[in-house]
Amino acid sequence: DQQVKQNSPSLSVQEGRISILNCDYTNSMFDYFLWYKKYPAEGPTFLISISSIKDKNEDGRFTVFLNKSAKHLSLHIVPSQPGDSAVYFCAARATSGTYKYIFGTGTRLKVLA
Amino acid sequence: DVKVTQSSRYLVKRTGEKVFLECVQDMDHENMFWYRQDPGLGLRLIYFSYDVKMKEKGDIPEGYSVSREKKERFSLILESASTNQTSMYLCASSSQGARQPQHFGDGTRLSIL
Repeated sequence: DQQVKQNSPSLSVQEGRISILNCDYTNSMFDYFLWYKKYPAEGPTFLISISSIKDKNEDGRFTVFLNKSAKHLSLHIVPSQPGDSAVYFCAARATSGTYKYIFGTGTRLKVLA
Repeated sequence: DVKVTQSSRYLVKRTGEKVFLECVQDMDHENMFWYRQDPGLGLRLIYFSYDVKMKEKGDIPEGYSVSREKKERFSLILESASTNQTSMYLCASSSQGARQPQHFGDGTRLSIL
């Protein structure tokens, strides 16, 4: 049973446009969410996070939105750059105090020059 | 910068062999993790450790064991390798505090023949 779902396995966007990556979760006890970026032949790197007490967190070109009622979060990249081409994973923490994160299946973003 | 080093990038072993995957981190992190990444399944947690000699099972511990004798080193052991353990294995570490992001190594691609 996949508790964290990324329903789009891939996404293509023109350079300079907005990229929107989506993530849905089923467990209402999740209280902290992260996005990771992964290039081929490298490990995932942390990108941005959001706590369940917020609905938005911004860091430069990257913004994460959280809709708790819909159990949905999204990552917006504006403007998209070719170097953003990678696989993006969302992850959720199960309950307060645990070190365990549940990862989604990933979305491959391709930014076209 | 945090450095998580996995001893091998590629490894080929035979069915039934005992396989050791080693991971070392240089940031004095308390928490260490082992994941496997498979197409369409994302990252799945095998085991994690929040202190020396302490370990907890993740979502898919069957067929694996771990060892953490020193704070900086976390080993994943395949007791008797099987072909369904062919995968990309990722090690990660994080500092104390459940909201600390995990820092990943570059992965070991393990093939069991």
